[in-house]
Amino acid sequence: AQKVTQAQTEISVVEKEDVTLDCVYETRDTTYYLFWYKQPPSGELVFLIRRNSFDEQNEISGRYSWNFQKSTSSFNFTITASQVVDSAVYFCALSPSYGGSQGNLIFGKGTKLSVKP
Amino acid sequence: NAGVTQTPKFRVLKTGQSMTLLCAQDMNHEYMYWYRQDPGMGLRLIHYSVGEGTTAKGEVPDGYNVSRLKKQNFLLGLESAAPSQTSVYFCASSPAAYNEQFFGPGTRLTVL
Repeated sequence: AQKVTQAQTEISVVEKEDVTLDCVYETRDTTYYLFWYKQPPSGELVFLIRRNSFDEQNEISGRYSWNFQKSTSSFNFTITASQVVDSAVYFCALSPSYGGSQGNLIFGKGTKLSVKP
Repeated sequence: NAGVTQTPKFRVLKTGQSMTLLCAQDMNHEYMYWYRQDPGMGLRLIHYSVGEGTTAKGEVPDGYNVSRLKKQNFLLGLESAAPSQTSVYFCASSPAAYNEQFFGPGTRLTVL
């Protein structure tokens, strides 16, 4: 089965706290891609990161960082020193490579992050 | 560049009516996708296209049809709308498989 689980439905933090959004995936493929997208209250979907299954290096972009661990099939996202503008729904997505899936994204159900001032 | 645009932004239909949602992209992307987003469900793939003149079914294709007559346009049709099709519809495009997908602003559809 190809599946993405974001177990945290909603998270609420106070500004400047660090927060980690969990993502666990299932796939039978050895080659696959993982993504994170942000959906702010305005509704558009904003791309954050893409990672392929052969690159397990952690990535940092400003206050954002991602931890990819194949051993636990997880691709977690951490926001350091959260800000009110980080309030959004965050989606983790999997793109498996089996059977000509053509890059189709399998989304998790999303985690709604609320950052309070 | 406008990126990915969707028409209309909002629509209310009565059960049994038909309509077409238009997605247009100006990035010369080969791949285009239609998703629907329902509360608590994330996004689910309806149909996709890997090039002009080609279409394929996604996870939830029933009740929808699509066409890609021109590379820049991807149309999603509802022949006989049902309340279960009330949703927010997102179109996306990508230059190649497994690349970042660029999303449109969405169309909010209500079927009464």
